[in-house]
Parts: sequence; C-alpha cells; structure tokens
Amino acid sequence: KAGVTQTPRYLIKTRGQQVTLSCSPISGHRSVSWYQQTPGQGLQFLFEYFSETQRNKGNFPGRFSGRQFSNSRSEMNVSTLELGDSALYLCASSLWPGGMDQPQHFGDGTRLSIL
Amino acid sequence: DQQVKQNSPSLSVQEGRISILNCDYTNSMFDYFLWYKKYPAEGPTFLISISSIKDKNEDGRFTVFLNKSAKHLSLHIVPSQPGDSAVYFCAASASDGQNFVFGPGTRLSVLP
Repeated sequence: KAGVTQTPRYLIKTRGQQVTLSCSPISGHRSVSWYQQTPGQGLQFLFEYFSETQRNKGNFPGRFSGRQFSNSRSEMNVSTLELGDSALYLCASSLWPGGMDQPQHFGDGTRLSIL
Repeated sequence: DQQVKQNSPSLSVQEGRISILNCDYTNSMFDYFLWYKKYPAEGPTFLISISSIKDKNEDGRFTVFLNKSAKHLSLHIVPSQPGDSAVYFCAASASDGQNFVFGPGTRLSVLP
C-alpha cells in the first residue's frame, strides 16, 4: 500500500516568489493536514482538509493557503515568500479528521529553502 | 501557549537499557494520544497510541502510559537499540474534531 507522497522533495525559491506543494494521501484516506517544521521547533499545524473543505486552520498568515481535490489530493500554496518560510513542510493523511481515535500518517516532506 | 510539552529536548541511554520519554499536556479535552518517531530527512512515523479510556498500551518493545489526573504520558522503550535513535514527538487530539497538537520533540540517542 503506497504511503503519503509529497512532491517535490526539495525546492529553492527567492523572496517574493510563490510556491505550490503537492500531497497525495494514502488511498482511501480523506483527511489531509499540513504542518511546518523549522529547526528546533515541533510540528506547527497549518490546516486540515476533509472532503474538499478546510476544517481547521492554524495560526499562520493569509499568505499560506491550501485546497483539497475530489480525489483527496491536496496542495498548499505560499505567496510572497519570506526568508522565515524556509522549513520542512509535512503532509499527513488519515481516514477521518483529527480526534477520531486513529493516527495520521506522514509523507517525507518538502524541504523549502528561501534565498 | 504550548498545549503539549516535552520538557527534555534530549536523552541519552545505553543500549539494552530502558528509555523513558515524557510528555505533559494542558488541555483536559484531549482524549487520544500518539507517539511518533522521526529520522532526519524523513517524515514522522507513527509508533503507538492510547485513548483516554486506557492507562496503558503495549506494542512489542514500546509501551505508552497515560496518567489522566496528572495530564502526563510517557513512552517506554525496552530494551533500547541503536536504531531507536531519533526524535520522538508526542501528539494529542480531542474528540471534538480539533486538529492534532504536537509537542516540540525529544531527541533520543541510544549509545552502543
């Protein structure tokens, strides 16, 4: 059974540009969450999607946005990139939304570097 | 305000001994708890979970203990192996459908 797939694995951008990251969940999983991990920090929650609807959103500026498609695949977009956006962006999928006694499964992340 | 805390950033243990990783939480609505292991350049891997109706869950070398009154959980690894060296994240969620909340992680080093 294929795991969570994130593309691309690595990305280099410059300040002011925008970027789109992609996540394909485990087959049958309908919930997708996105996290940001920076050095020395834990996983900071960005947003969660279920059935193409954003259910929860973390404390990030509006430059961070996402969407989910009918096949449960998800994308996140960051506009007007800043140096502080350099991080590992992780996607996780689960059968149901958070809090229903089942774990999330993570992809290997996209390492975004801003120059 | 950190809802899930892992107060030890790092821990070193001798191979074969027990590793105990601790996690504290503040939100009394949390009722499902998980532990993840993360190697560099990989995503976190789910290890073990426990729901609030239990106080212990065991899976091979890994046991998670939950003390609801103290809002504390711990992960025991017995015996510890060098391959267990990784960052361990504690996470929690509530059945009201809120998102998972992760702790900052503890780096475990198992010395041969």
